[in-house]
Amino acid sequence: DAKTTQPPSMDCAEGRAANLPCNHSTISGNEYVYWYRQIHSQGPQYIIHGLKNNETNEMASLIITEDRKSSTLILPHATLRDTAVYYCIVRAGANSKLTFGKGITLSVRP
Amino acid sequence: NAGVTQTPKFRILKIGQSMTLQCTQDMNHNYMYWYRQDPGMGLKLIYYSVGAGITDKGEVPNGYNVSRSTTEDFPLRLELAAPSQTSVYFCASNLAPARSYEQYFGPGTRLTVT
Repeated sequence: DAKTTQPPSMDCAEGRAANLPCNHSTISGNEYVYWYRQIHSQGPQYIIHGLKNNETNEMASLIITEDRKSSTLILPHATLRDTAVYYCIVRAGANSKLTFGKGITLSVRP
Repeated sequence: NAGVTQTPKFRILKIGQSMTLQCTQDMNHNYMYWYRQDPGMGLKLIYYSVGAGITDKGEVPNGYNVSRSTTEDFPLRLELAAPSQTSVYFCASNLAPARSYEQYFGPGTRLTVT
């Protein structure tokens, strides 16, 4: 599976949009981009995934660049409860295993 | 549904002791996984199973054993515990790949070996 690169941390103000970047320049055509998050040492929680089209669900939006070499997870109105480590994972379909890096620590400030 | 449950929540072991970490899911998922997470690091896959009676090694299997006699249960056995096995252990499950992309995680077991 392709490797991902995320900055170690970022912060945003409560109520504002949080835009979390991820680089995956070696992604191949059959690999999906997944996002999970982990709140304070709890088990990771699935957020969203996509192949090449932008995706939106009740938690977040996923924007994938046209060349698929990078993506952005958008939390439209961040709350204090969104403070967590966010993992960007590239995976060749649901049949392959998840590989977690260190992720990006998002701190939402009041 | 309780989802994925793990017991115990916390455990302290002495070097050389053995124990079994329990994991149960009530979602009828075929696939189950064990991960460990060291402080400040991401999760590393220890073992996984694609169905009852089938298990396979992940990235860091040494010092661990697993079995999968039922769809619901996937216990992880530590033999001869070592300080390097101090970690948080997470169990996870998902449906067969063609039906689900979401992996569900348990709350974790925090293990200290001294």
